[in-house]
Amino acid sequence: DAGVTQSPTHLIKTRGQQVTLRCSPKSGHDTVSWYQQALGQGPQFIFQYYEEEERQRGNFPDRFSGHQFPNYSSELNVNALLLGDSALYLCASSRGGTGANVLTFGAGSRLTVL
Amino acid sequence: GENVEQHPSTLSVQEGDSAVIKCTYSDSASNYFPWYKQELGKRPQLIIDIRSNVGEKKDQRIAVTLNKTAKHFSLHITETQPEDSAVYFCAASKTGGGNKLTFGTGTQLKVEL
Repeated sequence: DAGVTQSPTHLIKTRGQQVTLRCSPKSGHDTVSWYQQALGQGPQFIFQYYEEEERQRGNFPDRFSGHQFPNYSSELNVNALLLGDSALYLCASSRGGTGANVLTFGAGSRLTVL
Repeated sequence: GENVEQHPSTLSVQEGDSAVIKCTYSDSASNYFPWYKQELGKRPQLIIDIRSNVGEKKDQRIAVTLNKTAKHFSLHITETQPEDSAVYFCAASKTGGGNKLTFGTGTQLKVEL
């Protein structure tokens, strides 16, 4: 079992560009959540996808959007990148939708915005 | 929304000593409290969790206690070892909350030889 896999692991963008991050959940999991972790901080919830729909959203602007595919994998898109978007983006998967379920995290995608 | 406070921000102990990290939460509807360990450059890994229907849970050298009335929970690590050195995060969520974990700000634990 490969667990939660994310790609790319590192990427560098410039302000104003757009980025797409990808996540494959752990086998048997059907729910994907995305978190942003700034350096030295705890992860901040961005949103959750279940049954290909965004189910809950944290306090992030509309520049952050996502998608879940029929195979449960997910993408996070960030438009009009700002310097403050530089962070580690973590994907977490779980089973069973919107309950308080155990999350398994991926290793993250580290985004640097110049 | 939920707010989780975590103390201390740094903790240094001697190998073999115990370490205690404390968290408080604000939303009385929160009913799931996991603890994650994150080593430098690696993913957060769940080390123990507790749900609101129990007051204490143990797993070998690690234990978590929950006081629902006071809305605080604590992580206890006994017989610390150098490999316990990492950042530890507490978190809280609630049923129907969409797996929205609200994390504390983290505790950098250093176990010294």
